[in-house]
Amino acid sequence: DGGITQSPKYLFRKEGQNVTLSCEQNLNHDAMYWYRQDPGQGLRLIYYSQIVNDFQKGDIAEGYSVSREKKESFPLTVTSAQKNPTAFYLCASSPSGLAQNEQFFGPGTRLTVL
Amino acid sequence: GESVGLHLPTLSVQEGDNSIINCAYSNSASDYFIWYKQESGKGPQFIIDIRSNMDKRQGQRVTVLLNKTVKHLSLQIAATQPGDSAVYFCAENMAPGTYKYIFGTGTRLKVLA
Repeated sequence: DGGITQSPKYLFRKEGQNVTLSCEQNLNHDAMYWYRQDPGQGLRLIYYSQIVNDFQKGDIAEGYSVSREKKESFPLTVTSAQKNPTAFYLCASSPSGLAQNEQFFGPGTRLTVL
Repeated sequence: GESVGLHLPTLSVQEGDNSIINCAYSNSASDYFIWYKQESGKGPQFIIDIRSNMDKRQGQRVTVLLNKTVKHLSLQIAATQPGDSAVYFCAENMAPGTYKYIFGTGTRLKVLA
């Protein structure tokens, strides 16, 4: 089955701790994205990567970090510097970051900071 | 779902009726648009897309209409079914040939039996 997976589905973190959210795709897509979803708001872009070993900040990158060491994987770290990290995090991929393509979304990770 | 749209506009329709969900987009230069469906606690699923050189595009039970004059997009669902209950939102591609999308906040569709 081709697709995009995120783990874990639910994640709890104490204040002051860093936490890493996993995103894996086997669609052979070049581009991958991380979004944050909050109630009553549209998706907001955190980071994106158009190709392996390259990534750029999105609109709300502060307090987050990413890596793209492999084409299939784009983990997101939520650091203690993120002021309001409780949210639903969505990873997506598309065949290319340069063309107008549909973005395929993973099932999401719900992060709650206690 | 708990993560999506606690205060979203809601459209309630009877099973078997047609549904029309609307979206106003922001940028007159946007030239590619997507409708997504998001069920409770899940990631968004692609429904249908349309490019700005078209006014209408049809899929299976769904039709998207684009009115560039008033920057308006609509999604029509024919013969609405209980499985159509979800949040629907539109996305506009802000700059041709780029990754950058603006996503709408969404409309919750409730199908009444």
